[in-house]
Amino acid sequence: QVQLVESGGGVVQPGRSLRLSCTASGFSISPYALHWVRQAPGKGLEWVAIISYDGSQKYYADSVKGRFTISRDNSQNTLNLQMNSLRAEDTAVYHCVRERRVVAGDAFDIWGQGTMVTVSS
Amino acid sequence: QSVLTQPPSVSGAPGQRVTISCTGSSSNIGAGYGVHWYQQLPGTAPKLLIYGNSNRPSGVPDRFSGSKSGTSASLAISGLQAEDEADYYCQSYDSSLIASVFGTGTKVTVL
Repeated sequence: QVQLVESGGGVVQPGRSLRLSCTASGFSISPYALHWVRQAPGKGLEWVAIISYDGSQKYYADSVKGRFTISRDNSQNTLNLQMNSLRAEDTAVYHCVRERRVVAGDAFDIWGQGTMVTVSS
Repeated sequence: QSVLTQPPSVSGAPGQRVTISCTGSSSNIGAGYGVHWYQQLPGTAPKLLIYGNSNRPSGVPDRFSGSKSGTSASLAISGLQAEDEADYYCQSYDSSLIASVFGTGTKVTVL
């Protein structure tokens, strides 16, 4: 069964750090770019970051640039998100997402169920 | 702040046809980047519904269709069913932001 499972969420104080992980099963992540997408409570989807298939290219949303770091370990079939200097506005469900190259672009074809991050004092 | 604009809500009776618009700009949809659509049922993760403007993944009913023209795209749901009640999001790529971008989201209600 092809799936992505996130872990590492929880409650953290503003200014502190948290590390999220995502483990893939049923497929190898090696050929795929991977993303983190978040959704604040009652809000829409917000793209957070992307890492290329080999980890050589990384891009971030302006809202997290300089604070979050995306990484991957293809040998362990895992994706990570290191989140530093957390703010209340980072409170959201964080989804790990697989990108698939399709006709006319790249679509997000596999989504994890997400892990909740709450930033609160 | 989303760069793709969708109506907050649309509704229709069972069996009817509803459409959801997704309006972008010359740096995303208008630049030729593909538009993809996702369905998010309550309490679940989003699911890919339409890719590459108008293509359905295996298992998606042909009641769902997508189109694109200029700087906008649309998702149509024909023969509306109760199980279609969900939030729907469009997504593309923006070359100015160097980022994937999502629409603001549309809640579909079946009356």
